[in-house]
Parts: sequence; structure tokens; C-alpha cells
Amino acid sequence: TQLLEQSPQFLSIQEGENLTVYCNSSSVFSSLQWYRQEPGEGPVLLVTVVTGGEVKKLKRLTFQFGDARKDSSLHITAAQTGDTGLYLCAGRRNQFYFGTGTSLTVIP
Amino acid sequence: ETGVTQTPRHLVMGMTNKKSLKCEQHLGHNAMYWYKQSAKKPLELMFVYSLEERVENNSVPSRFSPECPNSSHLFLHLHTLQPEDSALYLCASSQDRASGTYEQYFGPGTRLTVT
Repeated sequence: TQLLEQSPQFLSIQEGENLTVYCNSSSVFSSLQWYRQEPGEGPVLLVTVVTGGEVKKLKRLTFQFGDARKDSSLHITAAQTGDTGLYLCAGRRNQFYFGTGTSLTVIP
Repeated sequence: ETGVTQTPRHLVMGMTNKKSLKCEQHLGHNAMYWYKQSAKKPLELMFVYSLEERVENNSVPSRFSPECPNSSHLFLHLHTLQPEDSALYLCASSQDRASGTYEQYFGPGTRLTVT
């Protein structure tokens, strides 16, 4: 069984559209991180959320940690082609557990 | 050099070969990690070193042998691998595992193909 489920698994949208990616679990995490990974490269850390209900913004990206610290969402406003990549969430318990990722393609 | 570097970036090896992957971090961190990333599977944590001591080994086959000579360098020695070991091997580092959120910073990975 997978500790962290991400949805959708694949997403293809037009430039300018909005989208939301979800990271869900039945387990509680002390913190949760979001990464973006481009082909042939390692994941790059985008944000860490720690407090239940916390919202963080990074330009057009908005991250939210669920009140119970079991889930998180990533919302992108007005997607750009540079947002294309694999988005990974990772929840920390005794170690970090990674989700399977959401592969996002933004079409010009 | 900045961040986390890995060499080689690509490696093709036969099942009887012995090779090593190298990771170096320039962030002053105390913990280093090896992950395996296979297609359609989440990142799998393989080994964790904290202050040069191995603190975690997630049931990894003995054909993978890590080495951490100091807090800046991490190696993964490979021998008699199987084709299913083909994957992207990622190294990461973080500040002390016990402190705060210990954010992990990843290297670019080594794409390994076992023939």
C-alpha cells in the first residue's frame, strides 16, 4: 500500500489555465514538502509546510497543508509552459515518504 | 560547485561488473541519503547516513553497498546487479535529521542501466 497518494497521475492543460494537484494520506505527517522534477534531473524543493491549515504562496503556486496534517494541495494559477514537470509530495514521519507524483504538461 | 553533485550522470553496466556512484554535497549538511527512482513507482529510500554513521538501511539487497567517508561525500558501490536495478539513483542531503523539518536537497541523479 502507498502511504501518499497523488492525484491526478497525469495532467495536460493549456497555458493560462488553473489546476490543482492533490496529495492524500490516512497518516499524519509532521511536515510535508513539494518538489518539482524535470526529466533527467533530481527533484527541486518548492516548499515545506509544517502547521495544519498552513497556506504558502510561491508566485503563482499556492500550497496548503490540511488541518489534520494528512493531506496537501498545490494550486497553480495561469499555468505556463515552464511549469511542466513531475510534482512530488513528500510527507515526513520517521523518514520522508514520497508520493507517486503528478506529471504536468502545459501546452502552449 | 554548489548544491549536491553526482557522478557519473549516466552508467551502463553488465551484471558481472563492479561500479561506484559518487555524491558530493557543498551545503554543509550533516545527513546524506540514497534514493532509487523507478518508472511508475515512488522514490524509495535506500540508505541514510547521519554524521557519517549509517542510521537506516531499508532492506536493500547486499549488492548495493554504501560508504560515507565524511559528511560531504557519499558513495554507492554496485556489484552483480540485476536488470531490475536499472533506475535513476538520487542522492540527497539535509541538515541534521533531528532538527526541524530537515529539508532535503537532491542531486541530479545517476541514470543506471544494467544489461
